[in-house]
Amino acid sequence: DTAVSQTPKYLVTQMGNDKSIKCEQNLGHDTMYWYKQDSKKFLKIMFSYNNKELIINETVPNRFSPKSPDKAHLNLHINSLELGDSAVYFCASSPHISGANVLTFGAGSRLTVL
Amino acid sequence: AQRVTQPEKLLSVFKGAPVELKCNYSYSGSPELFWYVQYSRQRLQLLLRHISRESIKGFTADLNKGETSFHLKKPFAQEEDSAMYYCALQETSGSRLTFGEGTQLTVNP
Repeated sequence: DTAVSQTPKYLVTQMGNDKSIKCEQNLGHDTMYWYKQDSKKFLKIMFSYNNKELIINETVPNRFSPKSPDKAHLNLHINSLELGDSAVYFCASSPHISGANVLTFGAGSRLTVL
Repeated sequence: AQRVTQPEKLLSVFKGAPVELKCNYSYSGSPELFWYVQYSRQRLQLLLRHISRESIKGFTADLNKGETSFHLKKPFAQEEDSAMYYCALQETSGSRLTFGEGTQLTVNP
C-alpha cells in the first residue's frame, strides 16, 4: 500500500488552462503539505494543512488553491497556468504539526506547461 | 527567518573514498535537523535526523551548534549512495521544514 499517493504522475498542458493534482495519505497523519521542486531541484514549501486547517501559506500566487476535504486528502488546484509553473509538485504528510516531524513524501507530480 | 545552505551543488567521489556533504543553517531557536535523500526515480525519503544520533547506511551527521553546521559523512562511499541529498531544518514551534538547495552526490566506480 502506498502511504502517500499523488495523481497524476505526469501532467502536460497548455498555458492558461486550469488543472488539479490530488494527494491522499493512508497513514492517519494530521498534517499534509505541498512542496514545489523547480528545475534546479530546489524544494520550497507552498502550503501546510493540519486537520483540514490551513497552517502555512507561503508567498504563492492566488492562482494556486489548496483544498483539504478531510485530513487524509490535500488537493492542489492551479488556475490560469503559466510557463513558470512547470515543476515537480510533491505532496507530503507528517504525524503532527510540531515536534521532530518526519515527512513522508509522495512520488511527485511532474507538471509541464507549454 | 531560518535558512539552510548546502554550498556544493555537485559532489563526485570514487568508490571507497570518504565523503562529506556540507550543511550550514541559520535559525534563532533550537533547530531540529534532518537529511533527506532522493535516489534516482524514487521519492524523497528521510535518511537520518540529529535527535536520533544514529548511523543509517553508514552515514552519520553531527550537529555543531557553534559552527551552525550539520554535515553528512560516510567513511567509505558506495556506488549505491549516488543520489540527491537535502539538508532540512524544522522550526521547533511549528511544522515548517526548510530545505537546503540539495547536493547531487555521484560515486564513481
